[in-house]
Amino acid sequence: DIQMTQSPSSLSASVGDRVTITCRASQGISNSLAWYQQKPGKAPKLLLYAASRLESGVPSRFSGSGSATDYTLTISSLQPEDFATYYCQQYYNTLWTFGQGTKVEIK
Amino acid sequence: QVQLQESGPGLVKPSQTLSLTCTVSGGSISGGTFFWSWIRQPAGKGLEWIGRIYSSGSTNYNPSLKSRVTISVDTSKNQFSLKLSSVTAADTAVYYCARLIYDTSGYYPDYWGQGTLVTVSS
Repeated sequence: DIQMTQSPSSLSASVGDRVTITCRASQGISNSLAWYQQKPGKAPKLLLYAASRLESGVPSRFSGSGSATDYTLTISSLQPEDFATYYCQQYYNTLWTFGQGTKVEIK
Repeated sequence: QVQLQESGPGLVKPSQTLSLTCTVSGGSISGGTFFWSWIRQPAGKGLEWIGRIYSSGSTNYNPSLKSRVTISVDTSKNQFSLKLSSVTAADTAVYYCARLIYDTSGYYPDYWGQGTLVTVSS
């Protein structure tokens, strides 16, 4: 299995802050990485795929970067609606695996 | 717009079989190059991929669940289903169905159902 290690597991930030979340794969995944936002009681919402491609309708303050084993989700200016839990997911091989999540809380 | 809706019993007894159905609307389950998948999430925990199916019936399963999982498709009803046998309390989770779309980077889930909570308890 490809292990996905996400960091930090939680963070506190203020509206307007720049937020960065990191995801590290246990082996190279060739940009086969998606990022999701999940709010309590809701399904995950796709933000980015192929590491850096923004899903239609997702605000441009979300961006993704990285290659090989190391990937980053950046929120350029945190908005009130962005407080949620974020997950990375590799789909490089058939056995998908997810990061453990990063909870973004209000400071 | 494609919509997915999970349905099935919310309570299952230990050792029995969990059965869920995902109904797809706004698009044909057999149209296009899509896979259809099940994913679950225990309360307060992370996401676990269960398996996926193509409209032809071809399947892939998570090895950790493979001996207990069956995913099937009914194109006439635009539905796909999950059966998980010999359940225990560890199978208590919110179960999501999702559509997988192809990109040069691979298949990834773009549309998700709202999820359905299944509790395993006597």
